[in-house]
Amino acid sequence: GENVEQHPSTLSVQEGDSAVIKCTYSDSASNYFPWYKQELGKGPQLIIDIRSNVGEKKDQRIAVTLNKTAKHFSLHITETQPEDSAVYFCAALLSGGYQKVTFGTGTKLQVIP
Amino acid sequence: NAGVTQTPKFQVLKTGQSMTLQCAQDMNHNSMYWYRQDPGMGLRLIYYSASEGTTDKGEVPNGYNVSRLNKREFSLRLESAAPSQTSVYFCASSEGLLNQPQHFGDGTRLSIL
Repeated sequence: GENVEQHPSTLSVQEGDSAVIKCTYSDSASNYFPWYKQELGKGPQLIIDIRSNVGEKKDQRIAVTLNKTAKHFSLHITETQPEDSAVYFCAALLSGGYQKVTFGTGTKLQVIP
Repeated sequence: NAGVTQTPKFQVLKTGQSMTLQCAQDMNHNSMYWYRQDPGMGLRLIYYSASEGTTDKGEVPNGYNVSRLNKREFSLRLESAAPSQTSVYFCASSEGLLNQPQHFGDGTRLSIL
């Protein structure tokens, strides 16, 4: 089955700096890669996603890159703000009999004012 | 816009007790899911329902049952709770089964003594 590894598990950055979170996946048939942000006491919220026919996608300060050959994808947050502090999860979806979604173990991002 | 609503938000049970976690979505989504979230393990799929009238096992179904009551509602039942089922449970929904972003509720925090 699919296996998703996420690094780092914790990340502290100064306000205004960039943050990068990386994920690798094992199944080359995976073709959809969402990123979720989870604030304390809340459920995960989708912040950006990318499909396998695209190498990069941007939405204001957030970008995701995908390298299908190397089977890794990354989340980039620029000009970080204190409200970016949260736990971020990557996921890989294997298209098949059902939506086989596998989540990474999460990265706790702390933005220091 | 309520999105995905889960009840209750918190629950404490004794070993052997039973209970049902409720989930409802108002986005007219076809697919619904139940996950559990444990520290250091990300989100793991318990059961899912591709469409009204169908349910299937996910990664960790043992000890749980589900019911897709109608298009809006998807419940998770613990027949005989065990301490290993102490976790945060999340319900999610998506438009369709393949390559669609999932929308999550805010979770039910369940403790089993």
